[in-house]
Amino acid sequence: DSGVTQTPKHLITATGQRVTLRCSPRSGDLSVYWYQQSLDQGLQFLIQYYNGEERAKGNILERFSAQQFPDLHSELNLSSLELGDSALYFCASSAHAGDRGQYEQYFGPGTRLTVT
Amino acid sequence: TQLLEQSPQFLSIQEGENLTVYCNSSSVFSSLQWYRQEPGEGPVLLVTVVTGGEVKKLKRLTFQFGDARKDSSLHITAAQPGDTGLYLCGGSNYKLTFGKGTLLTVNP
Repeated sequence: DSGVTQTPKHLITATGQRVTLRCSPRSGDLSVYWYQQSLDQGLQFLIQYYNGEERAKGNILERFSAQQFPDLHSELNLSSLELGDSALYFCASSAHAGDRGQYEQYFGPGTRLTVT
Repeated sequence: TQLLEQSPQFLSIQEGENLTVYCNSSSVFSSLQWYRQEPGEGPVLLVTVVTGGEVKKLKRLTFQFGDARKDSSLHITAAQPGDTGLYLCGGSNYKLTFGKGTLLTVNP
């Protein structure tokens, strides 16, 4: 158990809909990262928040957004869903911002999103 | 764009065999991490290597970071069915970039 929790475990929704994925980091960790994993693309970094502020952006679509709340939990919002958004979405946390590049991330169990 | 290439993509071996998987890049990383992921689960951190030429051992797993900090290898001795999983390497600079992984199956 990494200490990172994600809800829901599974989510099935229709195209055009909007969903929210939730993540609680390990106790004491200030950074939260969101990743998308699909068979063809592998694990793709979407976005990072550190202590409530956006820190780094990866391959995140404009239809997707995230935020980190004062209690450090984070939510990833996916809107106008398309079939191609079906994937595993992982949240990870680390103690620091990662500016020095030497940080270790701890992953949650993921949310499997299926868009029909 | 920093790319990490992992090879082989798939590996199926018998219990007791040795194996090596590779993680290569044209970019220099300040550190490199190896994770193992089982089906339906999140990646689990195995090790972080930081110094060029560094070798770390974790029981039957040996991790090496290349001298130039562009590549890494993972060697497993006497593989067991419990080693089955997707092995991911992640190179770290200002963000963590992952390879697509090596899917290892160890047959009893």
